[in-house]
Amino acid sequence: GDSVTQMEGPVTLSEEAFLTINCTYTATGYPSLFWYVQYPGEGLQLLLKATKADDKGSNKGFEATYRKETTSFHLEKGSVQVSDSAVYFCALLYNFNKFYFGSGTKLNVKP
Amino acid sequence: EPEVTQTPSHQVTQMGQEVILRCVPISNHLYFYWYRQILGQKVEFLVSFYNNEISEKSEIFDDQFSVERPDGSNFTLKIRSTKLEDSAMYFCASSEGDRGNTEAFFGQGTRLTVV
Repeated sequence: GDSVTQMEGPVTLSEEAFLTINCTYTATGYPSLFWYVQYPGEGLQLLLKATKADDKGSNKGFEATYRKETTSFHLEKGSVQVSDSAVYFCALLYNFNKFYFGSGTKLNVKP
Repeated sequence: EPEVTQTPSHQVTQMGQEVILRCVPISNHLYFYWYRQILGQKVEFLVSFYNNEISEKSEIFDDQFSVERPDGSNFTLKIRSTKLEDSAMYFCASSEGDRGNTEAFFGQGTRLTVV
């Protein structure tokens, strides 16, 4: 069935370090892919999305490219800030608007 | 900016009691959802709702759960007889269309604690 696997956390980085959070998916069709972010004490916010192969989603310095050949949607940011500390969820959307979420990766950025 | 709102933000209830979690989706959206997140675990799909009926539900969504859109603006999740394992953050979401690729907007969540 459809599913999402993302790297386990927590991930701890120093400010201005490069970030990669891996996400791979399994789907029978052609899903849309999303990254959602959950800041402490808050709900889920859309960070970026890509709706077809080779699309690149980007927002707030974060990027992810929809790679059909490797079934991946890795999240990257060139220089993280303390304010990026949050839990990041990779998600797949396919059929009937049902999201499949990964388990979440907690990012801690230290000054 | 339009947003999905959920009330209450935190609900504490005794095991066996009924709870109703309330959501006001974005006004022009047609699809509504409930998800839950047990502490430290992944976000799990519970149910989707369209055209005044359930369009899909997960195996978590058993007979103890029900959803309703009572008045055209609210979207509620009822748990008839709560169990300790129902303790979780419950997220409501809504989306515009039916093409399967549109973004869902999530509320801030209701933290349900069953004691």
